[in-house]
Amino acid sequence: GAGVSQSPRYKVAKRGQDVALRCDPISGHVSLFWYQQALGQGPEFLTYFQNEAQLDKSGLPSDRFFAERPEGSVSTLKIQRTQQEDSAVYLCASSLERNQPQHFGDGTRLSIL
Amino acid sequence: AQSVTQLDSHVSVSEGTPVLLRCNYSSSYSPSLFWYVQHPNKGLQLLLKYTSAATLVKGINGFEAEFKKSETSFHLTKPSAHMSDAAEYFCVVSARGGSNYKLTFGKGTLLTVNP
Repeated sequence: GAGVSQSPRYKVAKRGQDVALRCDPISGHVSLFWYQQALGQGPEFLTYFQNEAQLDKSGLPSDRFFAERPEGSVSTLKIQRTQQEDSAVYLCASSLERNQPQHFGDGTRLSIL
Repeated sequence: AQSVTQLDSHVSVSEGTPVLLRCNYSSSYSPSLFWYVQHPNKGLQLLLKYTSAATLVKGINGFEAEFKKSETSFHLTKPSAHMSDAAEYFCVVSARGGSNYKLTFGKGTLLTVNP
């Protein structure tokens, strides 16, 4: 497709379960970003990849959050032992290079019961 | 650290009337500023970007914003609102230098357009 694709669009999990969220960036985009958007708030930066290298993970809220991009294209954000405060929309964005405009996917809405 | 403050959480206008969404920024350097729009259950779309080339920036769908250093403001305007403009709008500032990929979002302004 032409845009950033995220799956699933909606995910419901019980507290304590592990979840995995997928992001397919725009083809050829070197840079990939993950953001967390809590209800009624603006997105907050989580992590940044350049190709397969994770160059910045300063925004990850705890060691339960893990992101990877092993082949420099698709990325997965994994959350282990989910907690209620993890409920949010997780947005993925990609760009040609790190200082170019970021193109966002529609997000994954995660609800932890 | 850089930050942005969106002065209104909700703005309501009538179709065909002007739109003004206010944003103030705080930065110790000359910032790059953006406006993004988010329609319900959709991702963010870039409306326009300021990077010091010109203080008046024109974006998509008839929106524009003016960078005013003396007022540390970057307000978004549109002369005539359309029903399709109803959405959440975010003012955004990027970090400096090597971390300029890192975007800091305001809390958003919900724009309602009444028929």
